[in-house]
Amino acid sequence: EAGVTQFPSHSVIEKGQTVTLRCDPISGHDNLYWYRRVMGKEIKFLLHFVKESKQDESGMPNNRFLAERTGGTYSTLKVQPAELEDSGVYFCASSQGQNYNEQFFGPGTRLTVL
Amino acid sequence: GEDVEQSLFLSVREGDSSVINCTYTDSSSTYLYWYKQEPGAGLQLLTYIFSNMDMKQDQRLTVLLNKKDKHLSLRIADTQTGDSAIYFCAESITGTASKLTFGTGTRLQVTL
Repeated sequence: EAGVTQFPSHSVIEKGQTVTLRCDPISGHDNLYWYRRVMGKEIKFLLHFVKESKQDESGMPNNRFLAERTGGTYSTLKVQPAELEDSGVYFCASSQGQNYNEQFFGPGTRLTVL
Repeated sequence: GEDVEQSLFLSVREGDSSVINCTYTDSSSTYLYWYKQEPGAGLQLLTYIFSNMDMKQDQRLTVLLNKKDKHLSLRIADTQTGDSAIYFCAESITGTASKLTFGTGTRLQVTL
């Protein structure tokens, strides 16, 4: 069974540009989460999809961030326009079903905004 | 509010025991977790404990929970060089597919 995959693994962009991160969850997992770790700080929750619906987007920092999960499969996280403070590692995780289940994490996308 | 704290760094000799500590503030935490991150890899769930338990053992790993003091610890027995990684403590409030709140992570260095 393939794990959670994320693309790209690294992205270096200039301030003001747009970047789109992609996450492919484990097949059949309804729950998809985005988290972010900025410069050695704690990993912070961004949002949670259940299938294609946003269940909780309380962690999204501002309206420069847009997450989608059309069709309830893969998800994208777009940052437009990117700012210096957006640099960090963006993790995606998925889990199965409505009851407690382990969240499986992808390797993350390291974003550097110059 | 939610706040999870950990010390940043721990160095131990191979073969010794490691103890990584974590404190949290939300008394309504339902599950508490330990994740491991090796270089270039994602987060791997090592173990978790339900908040009505005070101890859980799984091979070389022992988790202790002091709910009164909101203190969680992870003990690794017979620490090996392959245990070198960053260890994150995390909590979830409802436990039902809810978000995780993480600490800053403790970097464990195992020396020969």
